[in-house]
Amino acid sequence: DAGVIQSPRHEVTEMGQEVTLRCKPISGHNSLFWYRQTMMRGLELLIYFNNNVPIDDSGMPEDRFSAKMPNASFSTLKIQPSEPRDSAVYFCATLRRTANTGELFFGEGSRLTVL
Amino acid sequence: DQQVKQNSPSLSVQEGRISILNCDYTNSMFDYFLWYKKYPAEGPTFLISISSIKDKNEDGRFTVFLNKSAKHLSLHIVPSQPGDSAVYFCAARYGGSQGNLIFGKGTKLSVKP
Repeated sequence: DAGVIQSPRHEVTEMGQEVTLRCKPISGHNSLFWYRQTMMRGLELLIYFNNNVPIDDSGMPEDRFSAKMPNASFSTLKIQPSEPRDSAVYFCATLRRTANTGELFFGEGSRLTVL
Repeated sequence: DQQVKQNSPSLSVQEGRISILNCDYTNSMFDYFLWYKKYPAEGPTFLISISSIKDKNEDGRFTVFLNKSAKHLSLHIVPSQPGDSAVYFCAARYGGSQGNLIFGKGTKLSVKP
């Protein structure tokens, strides 16, 4: 079975450019989460979706960040315009809500560097 | 304000000895606690979990203990192996089965041969 698939794995861009990160969840998983990992703050939840509907986006740092889930098999996290402080590893994770443990399955992450 | 805290950024242990990783939390509404393990350049992977109604869960070399009155949980690895060297994240769930996980900042474990 394919796991959570994220792209790109690495992105280097210049300040002010638009960045789009993509995630394909595990088939049948109806919740999707976007996390950001930094040394200072660890793993921060940015936003999560249940059945393609955004439930909690209070972790999104500011209006430059937006996320969409147009269907059950695809989600994007967009940063426009990007800034150096956005440099981090961004993880997508999914789970099947019928499972009671809350176990998340993570993708391998997208490492973003904004120069 | 961090609701899940891992106060030790790093831990070094000799192979064969016990590793104890600690985690404290502040929200008494958390109903599930999980530990994740992360290798460099990979996503975190689930290791072991415990429901808030239990005080211990064991899976092979890994045991998680929960002390609700102290709002503290710990992960014990016995015996530690070099392949256990990784970053360990503690996570807590709120909102029940429709909720989400809050993670600690992680503890980097190094197991020396």
